[in-house]
Amino acid sequence: DAGVIQSPRHEVTEMGQEVTLRCKPISGHDYLFWYRQTMMRGLELLIYFNNNVPIDDSGMPEDRFSAKMPNASFSTLKIQPSEPRDSAVYFCASSLKNGDTQYFGPGTRLTVL
Amino acid sequence: AQKVTQAQTEISVVEKEDVTLDCVYETRDTTYYLFWYKQPPSGELVFLIRRNSFDEQNEISGRYSWNFQKSTSSFNFTITASQVVDSAVYFCALSAGGTSYGKLTFGQGTILTVHP
Repeated sequence: DAGVIQSPRHEVTEMGQEVTLRCKPISGHDYLFWYRQTMMRGLELLIYFNNNVPIDDSGMPEDRFSAKMPNASFSTLKIQPSEPRDSAVYFCASSLKNGDTQYFGPGTRLTVL
Repeated sequence: AQKVTQAQTEISVVEKEDVTLDCVYETRDTTYYLFWYKQPPSGELVFLIRRNSFDEQNEISGRYSWNFQKSTSSFNFTITASQVVDSAVYFCALSAGGTSYGKLTFGQGTILTVHP
């Protein structure tokens, strides 16, 4: 079975531009998570969904960030407008049930110039 | 609130040495889950083990072993006869809090370098 799929793998953009990151969870998994990894803050949870419904978005840094899950096989994380401090690796993960192992995608390395 | 502390920022060993990575966690919940993930230089996060709070049995998987002690709130990870391919960043993580089990709290990670 395919793992979590993320696209793009690398994104370089200029400050002020809109960025959209995409994620396809493992088929059959009910939970989807977005994490951000930086040197300063480590790995931090941004938001997670259960059955396509956002459950906890308390980690979303500010209104410039938004996430959607229109169906069970697709989610997006959007940053508008992007800023240099948003540069990080963004991971998507999915799990079968609450508390189960989260399997991570390969990540998207975002650079905002 | 949940917290995970990995006090060792970096560890350097020579191949074939045994190495133990420490993890101490804090939670007020009686039901929780502990994890270890590996992040090799290629950047992906690879799941290694999941343990629930009611199972204190130590686990061994090949060269890897885990020691879970609730009395000291620790979940340490030992690699026996380390190899160069073990070089990576290792993260300990905690999931707790009833309906918030989905929230993984990660430690800061331990960078392990195994020299030939």
